[in-house]
Formats: sequence, structure tokens, C-alpha cells
Amino acid sequence: DIQMTQSPSSLSASVGDRVTITCRASQSISRYLNWYQQKPGKAPKLLIYAASSLQSGVPSRFSGSGSGTDFTLTISSLQPEDFAAYSCQQSSSIQITFGQGTRLEIK
Amino acid sequence: QVQLVQSGAEVKKPGASVKVSCKASGYTFTSYDINWVRQATGQGLEWMGWMNPNSGNTGYAQKFQGRVAMTRNTSISTAYMELSSLRSEDTALYYCARLSHRDYYYYYMDVWGKGTTVTVSS
Repeated sequence: DIQMTQSPSSLSASVGDRVTITCRASQSISRYLNWYQQKPGKAPKLLIYAASSLQSGVPSRFSGSGSGTDFTLTISSLQPEDFAAYSCQQSSSIQITFGQGTRLEIK
Repeated sequence: QVQLVQSGAEVKKPGASVKVSCKASGYTFTSYDINWVRQATGQGLEWMGWMNPNSGNTGYAQKFQGRVAMTRNTSISTAYMELSSLRSEDTALYYCARLSHRDYYYYYMDVWGKGTTVTVSS
């Protein structure tokens, strides 16, 4: 299976900060990389697909980049509603795998 | 609106089986694969497998091979996930999710159910 490793595992930041979360694949996955946001007690919500395409309705402060093995999710200016967990997911292999998640907390 | 509605919480004993349902509405059920993902408390998301509602074809994560079965009833737009030989480590929140695509090239889960809690306890 393709292993997906996120860093950091947790992150403290303030409203207005620029935040970057990294996801690394154990082998090249081209741009078959998606990002999800999950708030406590809620289902995951798709933010970014195909590494950099913004899902409809998602604020433009969210952006994704990368290809091959290294990817980033950036939030340009944190808003109070952005404090949540973020997970990457690869769809390159028929065996889908997720990263372990990054918890974004208020400083 | 497009939504997936899952069945209610389950409590099972070790060794038993559980069957979770996922009813689709607001779109053509047979046009999108359904994936199942689980999450233990405080843990990350774990993909379990997929099912094509049109053909009934399935694909399972190696970890669950032989223990999971994903089926559907197209007449009521409902997908099912059955997990057998339950153990305490299977205690988790189980989600169904619709698999969408861009140009049949990039695939992503764009609609999720709210989750079904499965508790395995003696």
C-alpha cells in the first residue's frame, strides 16, 4: 500500500495566520491527492481534489499544490471556522489510503 | 439535495456481524461508486473498500478481505456494508461516501454520510 505521511501531526496557530500542512507519499502518486477537513463530530468535507483543484463552495483561502510525492495544503489567512483536523488521501492506487491527519488548534 | 443517510448506531458482541446501510438521494444512485471509511475515536480515517452500485463490483482493502461485504439494493438506492467476526478493535464510526471524478481521471469523495457508530463489546 502507498503510505501517506502528514506533518505536523498537530499545529497551533492564530486567526489571520498563514498555515501550511504537508503530505508525503511513499511513492509517486502524480496529482492523485485530495484534502479533507473534519470538525469534531462531523463527517469529512472535501476541500481540494487533484492536488490543487478547489471543490465548489470552498473558500479561496484554501489552496493545494504539489505532485509526485510531496504535497501541501495552505490556508492563507486562518478564520475561526478553520480550526479542525485535515487529512490527505491518495487515489493513485486502487487501495486508497489516508494520511494520519493534522489537528489545527487555536493558539 | 444530494445526501447519504446512514442507519443508526449498533452495539455488537465480539464474533458477531454488523450490517450498516447508506441510502442515497438527490442523484442517480447507480452513477457513482460508494466507498466505506471508518474512524476509531481519536484516530485517522481508514478506507475499507468500494462498491459500484450499477454492476455490484467491489474492491476491498487488504486488511478487511474475507471479513467485509459491500452490497446494494438499487430499487431503494441503498448501499450496505457488512463486517463479520467483529472484535473490539472494530469499534469505530463508519462512513459511506460517494466517489466522484473529474474526467474519469481524478477521483475523490465529495458527499459523505453522517456516520454510524458501531460498538463491539462483550
